[in-house]
Amino acid sequence: SQTIHQWPATLVQPVGSPLSLECTVEGTSNPNLYWYRQAAGRGLQLLFYSVGIGQISSEVPQNLSASRPQDRQFILSSKKLLLSDSGFYLCAWSQRTDSGNTIYFGEGSWLTVV
Amino acid sequence: GENVEQHPSTLSVQEGDSAVIKCTYSDSASNYFPWYKQELGKRPQLIIDIRSNVGEKKDQRIAVTLNKTAKHFSLHITETQPEDSAVYFCAASRIKAAGNKLTFGGGTRVLVKP
Repeated sequence: SQTIHQWPATLVQPVGSPLSLECTVEGTSNPNLYWYRQAAGRGLQLLFYSVGIGQISSEVPQNLSASRPQDRQFILSSKKLLLSDSGFYLCAWSQRTDSGNTIYFGEGSWLTVV
Repeated sequence: GENVEQHPSTLSVQEGDSAVIKCTYSDSASNYFPWYKQELGKRPQLIIDIRSNVGEKKDQRIAVTLNKTAKHFSLHITETQPEDSAVYFCAASRIKAAGNKLTFGGGTRVLVKP
């Protein structure tokens, strides 16, 4: 069966510091990968998605970047964090088939920028 | 792009009563509509989905209905229990579209009072 892991689970970072969140998927190949952000008490905002290695699409202009160095690895980064980057970050994946668009989320990473 | 509106934003029901959450979407080409449940501090998890070739789908106490003409779909929870308390998100997408991107509604916080 497929599993998705992301880490770290929580982190507190000072303003201006760098960020790296990592996500890996197991049990499948060539998945679509996503990074979502959820501000406290708010909805799910799609930040980036990737349909393959090195292919990144950005949904909103922001202080963050994403990379996909391997088929099942997705990384969210920032060179300098802002207070507004605080939130709950969720990695997700879906099958690249015609059977449906079900998206499965990782456990999430709580980021607090202080 | 797709826009999904979700109502109400909060819903309080007495245990045993029914809860109904409604969503409207803007893209008539959308044909896949999942619902996710997110408990406090946890990842969103798929609870039910429906494709546009089906008008209604039921799974035990939850059901989803779809009106393609009016471009709206609803989640129905019957015989609510305290463990149904969570935030529920609807979403819409096109099957086969690049990236399988889901557009989420703003969420509904459901509180089931014992």
